Amino acid sequence: SQQGEEDPQALSIQEGENATMNCSYKTSINNLQWYRQNSGRGLVHLILIRSNEREKHSGRLRVTLDTSKKSSSLLITASRAADTASYFCATDGRNYQLIWGAGTKLIIKP
Amino acid sequence: NAGVTQTPKFQVLKTGQSMTLQCAQDMNHNSMYWYRQDPGMGLRLIYYSASEGTTDKGEVPNGYNVSRLNKREFSLRLESAAPSQTSVYFCASSTADRVGAGELFFGEGSRLTVL
Repeated sequence: SQQGEEDPQALSIQEGENATMNCSYKTSINNLQWYRQNSGRGLVHLILIRSNEREKHSGRLRVTLDTSKKSSSLLITASRAADTASYFCATDGRNYQLIWGAGTKLIIKP
Repeated sequence: NAGVTQTPKFQVLKTGQSMTLQCAQDMNHNSMYWYRQDPGMGLRLIYYSASEGTTDKGEVPNGYNVSRLNKREFSLRLESAAPSQTSVYFCASSTADRVGAGELFFGEGSRLTVL
């Protein structure tokens, strides 16, 4: 079973636009993480946000967490072609093992 | 820094054959993980090792065995491969003392096809 569910499943935007993807989860968590996966590669960690945090920034990335709605969002500002990838959220709500969503596939059009 | 290294990168097996996927990390991490990734699904945990000398089952352990050879190495064995085990396998490691509590570092994946 999957804890995190990303929305949308796929997103296509023009270079320079902002991209927002969402993650919902079902049980209480200690932290939530976002990862990026380029085609044919391994996953790369982007941000970890703890349950007592509401917002976190890293460069062009902004992550918010709303524990009352059991949801998180990842915003990528001023998108670039290199941002084309799949993005996954992962939560640790069950036995502290990370539970993964199916991902959002982001395509940045030049 | 090599980070997390997986071998082989690609493998084709016939049903019933056995093989071992190797994983090594050079970051002195305590915990290591084996995941599988199937199209349209998130990663699913097969086995993990919270520290050297310990291993535990994850979400989908059936058909697999693991060995934490030392702090650096964590191998995944398929004793009798089945077509349902066709997947991309990822090894990962973490600095976190508590399983699932911190950032994971991933290898590049091993793409396995079982005919």
